[in-house]
Amino acid sequence: TQLLEQSPQFLSIQEGENLTVYCNSSSVFSSLQWYRQEPGEGPVLLVTVVTGGEVKKLKRLTFQFGDARKDSSLHITAAQPGDTGLYLCAGAAGGSGGSNYKLTFGKGTLLTVNP
Amino acid sequence: GAVVSQHPSWVICKSGTSVKIECRSLDFQATTMFWYRQFPKQSLMLMATSNEGSKATYEQGVEKDKFLINHASLTLSTLTVTSAHPEDSSFYICSARIQARGYTFGSGTRLTVV
Repeated sequence: TQLLEQSPQFLSIQEGENLTVYCNSSSVFSSLQWYRQEPGEGPVLLVTVVTGGEVKKLKRLTFQFGDARKDSSLHITAAQPGDTGLYLCAGAAGGSGGSNYKLTFGKGTLLTVNP
Repeated sequence: GAVVSQHPSWVICKSGTSVKIECRSLDFQATTMFWYRQFPKQSLMLMATSNEGSKATYEQGVEKDKFLINHASLTLSTLTVTSAHPEDSSFYICSARIQARGYTFGSGTRLTVV
């Protein structure tokens, strides 16, 4: 069973601060996705990283995939109240062995950015 | 593109009754659909994987006779919670994998059993 350890689980910061969320695993993933979820809605994809060492930027969000494709981080610069939400990392296994490309989700990081 | 439409968005039912949740892929064919359950402020827990035209594969600890999954067509998968009880109250979400593009999620169904 593949596990993704996501930390921190809860984070409350002031507007303008920076933060980093981590996802770590002992397993290798073919790809890793980051999602943001609002209450009462489904997760919305932020980014997919596929290549070891890959770095992707989405405005104030920077995503990194570890060289060994076992870990990833999300860094938010100058957080704003609109960034408040549940952030989820999810790793995808390959399609072999009957895994059907199942996603393994981390426990999530509930971020609150106070004005 | 690649939208999964999930209905209903919320439902309240009496204990002992059954509830059906539908997920439709609107502009693509979903060979595989994943069903998740999510408790407040927690992550998504995979319940089962459904493949069109075959029996669903359930995760360990998920009762297949209680959570009936039907994936009879490439555009529709349903989850029926049978004989629902208050402990089944949760947020249920479906997801489809789109080859070479990733995953798309439904908007979720809030089930409350009273």
